[in-house]
Amino acid sequence: LAKTTQPISMDSYEGQEVNITCSHNNIATNDYITWYQQFPSQGPRFIIQGYKTKVTNEVASLFIPADRKSSTLSLPRVSLSDTAVYYCLVGGDYKLSFGAGTTVTVRA
Amino acid sequence: EPEVTQTPSHQVTQMGQEVILRCVPISNHLYFYWYRQILGQKVEFLVSFYNNEISEKSEIFDDQFSVERPDGSNFTLKIRSTKLEDSAMYFCASSDPGGGGRAYEQYFGPGTRLTVT
Repeated sequence: LAKTTQPISMDSYEGQEVNITCSHNNIATNDYITWYQQFPSQGPRFIIQGYKTKVTNEVASLFIPADRKSSTLSLPRVSLSDTAVYYCLVGGDYKLSFGAGTTVTVRA
Repeated sequence: EPEVTQTPSHQVTQMGQEVILRCVPISNHLYFYWYRQILGQKVEFLVSFYNNEISEKSEIFDDQFSVERPDGSNFTLKIRSTKLEDSAMYFCASSDPGGGGRAYEQYFGPGTRLTVT
């Protein structure tokens, strides 16, 4: 499994854009990059997944450079309810390996 | 939107007792999983299940754990003789069998908080 590195925590304010960068230098050819969100006492929730370039959905955008050694999750115009832990996962098989994630705190 | 459900939401048991945690995965999903999260720690993979058999398990999933799909909708995790250190949030998840990264798109239930006293 490719090792991932992401910041432990980030602070933001309502209405701002939050960008979380994840490093995964040892990503394999078949690996996908997947981001999950977790609120306290809830199960992780799938946010977005990509293989290369840019992916956008109604919640977030995922930017992946050509070398795929990193990825950036972009949350546009965050609100207080976006306060959560965000996990970057890299792989393609059926076993998710969660790290400590990035705790994003959104303040009013 | 379809969702994974889990029962009970909270289970309190005494050390040495058996518990069964129940899950109803999303109906057209074919891969099922159990994860656990000890308070304040990472989410840990326990086991994956496909085609009525375990496809992968972690070192945490020892002989005291077992999984079963007793009918077409339920997926259960049994802990035979609970220990204090089994206290955790247990999450069930399911995924589509499709390739191209779809296995990494897993849908989690709300969890069962297991407290062993």
